[in-house]
Amino acid sequence: KQEVTQIPAALSVPEGENLVLNCSFTDSAIYNLQWFRQDPGKGLTSLLLIQSSQREQTSGRLNASLDKSSGRSTLYIAASQPGDSATYLCAVEEFGGNEKLTFGTGTRLTIIP
Amino acid sequence: DAEITQSPRHKITETGRQVTLACHQTWNHNNMFWYRQDLGHGLRLIHYSYGVQDTNKGEVSDGYSVSRSNTEDLPLTLESAASSQTSVYFCASSGRGRNTGELFFGEGSRLTVL
Repeated sequence: KQEVTQIPAALSVPEGENLVLNCSFTDSAIYNLQWFRQDPGKGLTSLLLIQSSQREQTSGRLNASLDKSSGRSTLYIAASQPGDSATYLCAVEEFGGNEKLTFGTGTRLTIIP
Repeated sequence: DAEITQSPRHKITETGRQVTLACHQTWNHNNMFWYRQDLGHGLRLIHYSYGVQDTNKGEVSDGYSVSRSNTEDLPLTLESAASSQTSVYFCASSGRGRNTGELFFGEGSRLTVL
């Protein structure tokens, strides 16, 4: 059974710093990996989707990398802003999983002005 | 703009009552999913559907049912609510072909079972 882990559970950094969020998964036979953002009391918003054949994806100040063989992904946020404060979740879709995702428990990020 | 909406956003009910949570999407997506989110567990899949008249059980389907009579709606029914079903429920949809999915989520329905 696939397990997805995100460490740390919470992270606080000063505004302007670059930061990295980590995600690890136990079964490397994945089809894709997604990073989501969740604001308090809100639903999830997809940030980046990396297909298993890809190594990274970029969107603005966000860069996600995928190392399938080691079961790891990172989300890099450049020049952090207070508006980046949210919970970030990663989720993997197993190959042939037909869009059924296994989620990590998330990292709650606080950017300190 | 296309969207996915859930109702009610908040509900309090009593143990043993039947509860239905509505999910409506205007993306015209074929694939729809229900997840529950609990502290320490992340999101877990309850039921999902790949099209009209298609429904499938997820990881935590006991005590829940869904039906898909049209493309836009996938209501989630708790047959006899239990305190263990107190949670935040999220509906999601995806319109791309299988195995390429980017999911779009509703804002959630917070259910409290007393």
